[in-house]
Amino acid sequence: DAGVIQSPRHEVTEMGQEVTLRCKPISGHDYLFWYRQTMMRGLELLIYFNNNVPIDDSGMPEDRFSAKMPNASFSTLKIQPSEPRDSAVYFCASSFGFRARQGEAFFGQGTRLTVV
Amino acid sequence: LAKTTQPISMDSYEGQEVNITCSHNNIATNDYITWYQQFPSQGPRFIIQGYKTKVTNEVASLFIPADRKSSTLSLPRVSLSDTAVYYCLVVPASGGSYIPTFGRGTSLIVHP
Repeated sequence: DAGVIQSPRHEVTEMGQEVTLRCKPISGHDYLFWYRQTMMRGLELLIYFNNNVPIDDSGMPEDRFSAKMPNASFSTLKIQPSEPRDSAVYFCASSFGFRARQGEAFFGQGTRLTVV
Repeated sequence: LAKTTQPISMDSYEGQEVNITCSHNNIATNDYITWYQQFPSQGPRFIIQGYKTKVTNEVASLFIPADRKSSTLSLPRVSLSDTAVYYCLVVPASGGSYIPTFGRGTSLIVHP
């Protein structure tokens, strides 16, 4: 398996524009997580899905952020409108079954977002 | 969830053994201890997990004393490529799935 695949790897956009980050989890995994990493706040959980259903989105910073998982092999994280403070590395991770219960997750390479 | 405390940073040299200790004083009876490794510009990677005594795999060893209030990740004979951030997590063994929640981790720098 190719692992968790995220696209794009880098994104530079202007303030006010819409940004869409994409994630393909590992086949067969039933948990999907979105994290954001910055120097100031470290690695923060934004939202996670189980069987394509959003379970906890309490980490989503505000209404400008939204996430969807239309099927088991694809998820998006959208920021509209984007702001400079959204600049960060966004990670997608997936897991399954007992491994999820034991805290083991598989991370993608991340998308580095820069909002200017 | 048990709170974890680990050093912010450590320095070492190639060929040395590195031990990173994490304290988790309020760990519950059935909680597991999990460590992740994150290289620069990459996502975190699960490296080892244990409950008590010692666990060893191809990457590291994990030592857990009898009272389980701390754990030590041991990296034998480190190389430059072991430069990374290492995260200690405590995982509840019951109550449904656990969502990995990361602290600030320990930044290990290995020098030539």
